[in-house]
Amino acid sequence: GDSVTQMEGPVTLSEEAFLTINCTYTATGYPSLFWYVQYPGEGLQLLLKATKADDKGSNKGFEATYRKETTSFHLEKGSVQVSDSAVYFCALRSVSGNTPLVFGKGTRLSVIA
Amino acid sequence: SAVISQKPSRDICQRGTSLTIQCQVDSQVTMMFWYRQQPGQSLTLIATANQGSEATYESGFVIDKFPISRPNLTFSTLTVSNMSPEDSSIYLCSVTGGARDTQYFGPGTRLTVL
Repeated sequence: GDSVTQMEGPVTLSEEAFLTINCTYTATGYPSLFWYVQYPGEGLQLLLKATKADDKGSNKGFEATYRKETTSFHLEKGSVQVSDSAVYFCALRSVSGNTPLVFGKGTRLSVIA
Repeated sequence: SAVISQKPSRDICQRGTSLTIQCQVDSQVTMMFWYRQQPGQSLTLIATANQGSEATYESGFVIDKFPISRPNLTFSTLTVSNMSPEDSSIYLCSVTGGARDTQYFGPGTRLTVL
């Protein structure tokens, strides 16, 4: 079945450091790919998405590129801030429409000043 | 976008009791999803609730333990029955809507079973 594998956390970075959180997937067909973020004490929010190969999703300085050849969707940010401390989830949907997302295990990021 | 509310936001329950969680959406949606997020873990899909039909449960989840109602296109309930401490989790309601493929989540219900 469909699955998402994320790098294990926790990840601790200093402010202004470069962030990469790896995500690879296994799916039939051509899935849509997502990154969700869960800030402390808050609900899950969509951070960015990409729906076809070579698409780049971006939001709040975060980027991820849909790489079909490597089945990857790594999350990057050039300069993290303390406010980026959260848990990040990679997810996919293999069939468009009303089908649920499949999530990775999540990666906890802590940014220290 | 879809705005989702859940009640209660949190509860502490005794072993052997049941809790019903309500999910309200501000627009009509065909499918609603219920997820569980155990402490420090990812989200696991419990079931998919389609208005007017029985919910579809994922492997490892059964209707007797997690009965779901879906009386209309904006509302659903999930009951956690005969609770044990292993049921302590955050339960999230989710819908798809708006821009294609976007899935929205409620704020979650944090359940602690003693």
